[in-house]
Amino acid sequence: QQQVKQSPQSLIVQKGGIPIINCAYENTAFDYFPWYQQFPGKGPALLIAIRPDVSEKKEGRFTISFNKSAKQFSLHIMDSQPGDSATYFCAASMGSNYQLIWGAGTKLIIKP
Amino acid sequence: KAGVTQTPRYLIKTRGQQVTLSCSPISGHRSVSWYQQTPGQGLQFLFEYFSETQRNKGNFPGRFSGRQFSNSRSEMNVSTLELGDSALYLCASSALQGASYEQYFGPGTRLTVT
Repeated sequence: QQQVKQSPQSLIVQKGGIPIINCAYENTAFDYFPWYQQFPGKGPALLIAIRPDVSEKKEGRFTISFNKSAKQFSLHIMDSQPGDSATYFCAASMGSNYQLIWGAGTKLIIKP
Repeated sequence: KAGVTQTPRYLIKTRGQQVTLSCSPISGHRSVSWYQQTPGQGLQFLFEYFSETQRNKGNFPGRFSGRQFSNSRSEMNVSTLELGDSALYLCASSALQGASYEQYFGPGTRLTVT
């Protein structure tokens, strides 16, 4: 029940396309859902986060869609660029619990 | 604010040796978490410290240990190194933002065990 399942494991999209990465969770007590972006040899960087009181959040070209009833959330990257090629991780936590529960990651490649 | 810093950035050790990695969190952050990341793997949680106390520990052998100092800087130690310990070790500092903790990662220490 503590797991966060992320899919797909890898994704190749043409430049300008909209890659979509999905995550699903079981624990309804989760109330904070961040996405991280990691480039090779670097630490993950917080990209965008959402709480279950909203269904969508946009920051620049990155959008999180949240479906509370389905217990799913997804990351969309608009007008994707080769520079967006990275590994993306979703995560979840509950209340003031410091510990994030991580998805397995999605390796995204944007082809020029 | 300066970000999370980790030293050293790269390290090569031999099996059986021990190693100490250091992490300086973002100023004002009192929580520090450590993760192990191996190629193609996700983030494996090692442990988390808050105000010098270990609050939680992941499923790693006792060879992995850590501590936090009064200035929130943290160290992790791995004793009797094994080849399988080769990995990127990531430190993250956290602060309560509203009702949740936001984690910010350092660049990591790349440990190679030969």
